[in-house]
Amino acid sequence: GDSVTQMEGPVTLSEEAFLTINCTYTATGYPSLFWYVQYPGEGLQLLLKATKADDKGSNKGFEATYRKETTSFHLEKGSVQVSDSAVYFCALSEKSSASKIIFGSGTRLSIRP
Amino acid sequence: ETGVTQTPRHLVMGMTNKKSLKCEQHLGHNAMYWYKQSAKKPLELMFVYSLEERVENNSVPSRFSPECPNSSHLFLHLHTLQPEDSALYLCASSQDWGEEKLFFGSGTQLSVL
Repeated sequence: GDSVTQMEGPVTLSEEAFLTINCTYTATGYPSLFWYVQYPGEGLQLLLKATKADDKGSNKGFEATYRKETTSFHLEKGSVQVSDSAVYFCALSEKSSASKIIFGSGTRLSIRP
Repeated sequence: ETGVTQTPRHLVMGMTNKKSLKCEQHLGHNAMYWYKQSAKKPLELMFVYSLEERVENNSVPSRFSPECPNSSHLFLHLHTLQPEDSALYLCASSQDWGEEKLFFGSGTQLSVL
């Protein structure tokens, strides 16, 4: 079945460092891909999405590009801030079965001042 | 504030107790979801309700019993739980069933002793 695999955390970086959180997926069709973020004590929020190959989703300085050839959707940010400390979830949704969004296990990111 | 409110925030219960988790959404959405978040595991979809009717039930043990009395409220009734059921239980909603953007509550952190 469909699945999402993301790098295990925790990831700890210094402020202004470059961030990459890896995500790869397995899907039978052509899914939409997402990154959700969960700040401490809060529920998940949609951060960005991409619906087809080579699309780039972006929001709040974060970017991710839908790479069909490598089945990846890595999350990147050029200069992280302390306020970016959170858990990040990669997810996919098959267009043929949009009722189910499949999430990865989450990657905890901690940013040191 | 995402418009989805869950209570209680924390719950400790014994294996013979009966308790209920409550979720309320103020967004006018038609679909509501229960997810289970365990450490280092993907988010697990438990139940989906659309227009107050259950549309998905992902092989969840019967000790978890959902109830959706109206489109704004969703409950998860708990009975004779096991320690492995300890997790963060997240409620989410979307405008309609199958929408890719979910709005999550902050969750109920459940500990089963």
